[in-house]
Amino acid sequence: QVQLQESGPGLVKPSETLSLTCDVSGYFIRSGYYWGWIRQPPGKGLEWIGSMYHSGSTYYNPSLKSRVTISVDTSKNQFSLKLSSVTAADTAVYYCARGTVAIPFDYWGQGTLVTVSS
Amino acid sequence: QSALTQPASVSGSPGQSITISCTGTSSDVGGYNYVSWYQQHPGKAPKLMIYEVSNRPSGVSNRFSGSKSGNTASLTISGLQAEDEADFYCSSYTSGTTLYVFGTGTKVTVL
Repeated sequence: QVQLQESGPGLVKPSETLSLTCDVSGYFIRSGYYWGWIRQPPGKGLEWIGSMYHSGSTYYNPSLKSRVTISVDTSKNQFSLKLSSVTAADTAVYYCARGTVAIPFDYWGQGTLVTVSS
Repeated sequence: QSALTQPASVSGSPGQSITISCTGTSSDVGGYNYVSWYQQHPGKAPKLMIYEVSNRPSGVSNRFSGSKSGNTASLTISGLQAEDEADFYCSSYTSGTTLYVFGTGTKVTVL
């Protein structure tokens, strides 16, 4: 059974960098699939942040591209999100997920709330 | 990259059928058969309900069905049940360096 679990600080100060990690169990990241991040501001809809193919290719939402980095650590079977220069608008529940082109997000983490505030 | 357009809300009585639309462009919904649908209950992670326009993952009720015509995809829920009350989002593969785009979301209410 594939499981994903997000972890990271729940509170980040404005202008700093948000860093989250997604631990994957039940499947080896290096074996395939896209590994991505999605966020959902309180009371709002889903927004795709970006995805990384297991080989290392990355794809980002154009609206966030200048601030986002997704990377993978196959030795730990985890992948990470870094979002720089955060503002209150980046406050959201952040989800990690697995997918393919045809099935974008078949397994999801439970989500973690990150609040941007001083 | 604009979000796909969904109605803000759809409602129906138990046992009825409802349909949620998801309108995009020829660069996403209309260009590929890679439309998926997600159900999200309050405080929970989204759950995949439909992929590749009309395919159901194992374990998803056959009351949920998907279709597409041109640039608009649709999700139909038949035999509406109280447990179907949730938010629903569509998603599509899209051309270019962007991979995916989500819909604006639809709140389904069971009357």
